[in-house]
Amino acid sequence: EAGVAQSPRYKIIEKRQSVAFWCNPISGHATLYWYQQILGQGPKLLIQFQNNGVVDDSQLPKDRFSAERLKGVDSTLKIQPAKLEDSAVYLCASSSIRADTSTDTQYFGPGTRLTVL
Amino acid sequence: AQSVSQHNHHVILSEAASLELGCNYSYGGTVNLFWYVQYPGQHLQLLLKYFSGDPLVKGIKGFEAEFIKSKFSFNLRKPSVQWSDTAEYFCAVSTNAGKSTFGDGTTLTVKP
Repeated sequence: EAGVAQSPRYKIIEKRQSVAFWCNPISGHATLYWYQQILGQGPKLLIQFQNNGVVDDSQLPKDRFSAERLKGVDSTLKIQPAKLEDSAVYLCASSSIRADTSTDTQYFGPGTRLTVL
Repeated sequence: AQSVSQHNHHVILSEAASLELGCNYSYGGTVNLFWYVQYPGQHLQLLLKYFSGDPLVKGIKGFEAEFIKSKFSFNLRKPSVQWSDTAEYFCAVSTNAGKSTFGDGTTLTVKP
């Protein structure tokens, strides 16, 4: 079984530029998560999708971050414009259990390491 | 809102020493509890999880964790660590609404 795929693995941009990350979850997984992990901290949930609907985006900075999962499969996360404090690893995870049952073992991708200069 | 606290940021042990990593959470309702591990250069992966039933949960590679509801704790233990256990360990909580919260992690270094 293929794991969660993410690209790119690394990205360096200057502040005020835009960047996009892509995630392809494990086949058949209905729930998809985007996390931001700043160095020395744990993953912080940015947005959670159930199929192509948003379950939770309460911690997503909506003035600059956006995410979509149009066909309920792969997803993109965009930052526009980027700030220095956006430097982090962006993790995508997926799970096969419905979000409302909370029995959600998550399978993580390798992450995208973003550096904003 | 729920939160997760991992008290030890960095633990250094010699091989064969016993390990206990602390995890406390704050949430008034029913929770599911997880420990994830990230080995150097690898993805985050599940170590063990508690949903219900026996509060003593056994995971992969000889790890176990005990859910103590009265203490809001889910500490991770291993009786004898190996050099290959060197990794970062994250405790996580998910609620009935499906929202997950992670602790800030504990880096374990095992000296050969």
